Amino acid sequence: DQQVKQNSPSLSVQEGRISILNCDYTNSMFDYFLWYKKYPAEGPTFLISISSIKDKNEDGRFTVFLNKSAKHLSLHIVPSQPGDSAVYFCAASVRGGSEKLVFGKGTKLTVNP
Amino acid sequence: DGGITQSPKYLFRKEGQNVTLSCEQNLNHDAMYWYRQDPGQGLRLIYYSQIVNDFQKGDIAEGYSVSREKKESFPLTVTSAQKNPTAFYLCASSMGRGTGGYTFGSGTRLTVV
Repeated sequence: DQQVKQNSPSLSVQEGRISILNCDYTNSMFDYFLWYKKYPAEGPTFLISISSIKDKNEDGRFTVFLNKSAKHLSLHIVPSQPGDSAVYFCAASVRGGSEKLVFGKGTKLTVNP
Repeated sequence: DGGITQSPKYLFRKEGQNVTLSCEQNLNHDAMYWYRQDPGQGLRLIYYSQIVNDFQKGDIAEGYSVSREKKESFPLTVTSAQKNPTAFYLCASSMGRGTGGYTFGSGTRLTVV
């Protein structure tokens, strides 16, 4: 049973345009969400996070939006750059002190020059 | 600089052999994790440890074993009981929620020959 879903395996955008990556979750106990970026043959690197008490968090070109009623979050990258081409993983954590993250399957973003 | 070191980067195993993947961190993190990545499968949790001398099974623990004798080290043994061991293995550690989630190592590519 997949609790964190990234339904788009891939996304292609033009340089300078907006990239929107989507993530849905089913577990209403999740209260902390993160996005990771991963290049081939490397470990994922942390990008941005959001707590369930917020609906938006920004960090430079990256913004994460959380819609708790829809159990949906999205990552916006504006403007997109060729160096943003990577696999993006959405992850979520449950209440109760556990730090175990549940990951989606990832979306491969390609930014074309 | 603090970080997580995984070794070796590439590992070849003959069928029927056990192999041990190393993971060392100098971040003073309490929790450590092992994930497996297969194409199209995202990151799947094998084992995790939140404190020295204690660890829990993740979603796909069969055929794997771990130990946590020191805070800095969390080695993973892939046993001959693991039917499909060829994969990319990622180790991670964390300090606590709200601090950016996990820090990942650079991974070990295991191939059965």
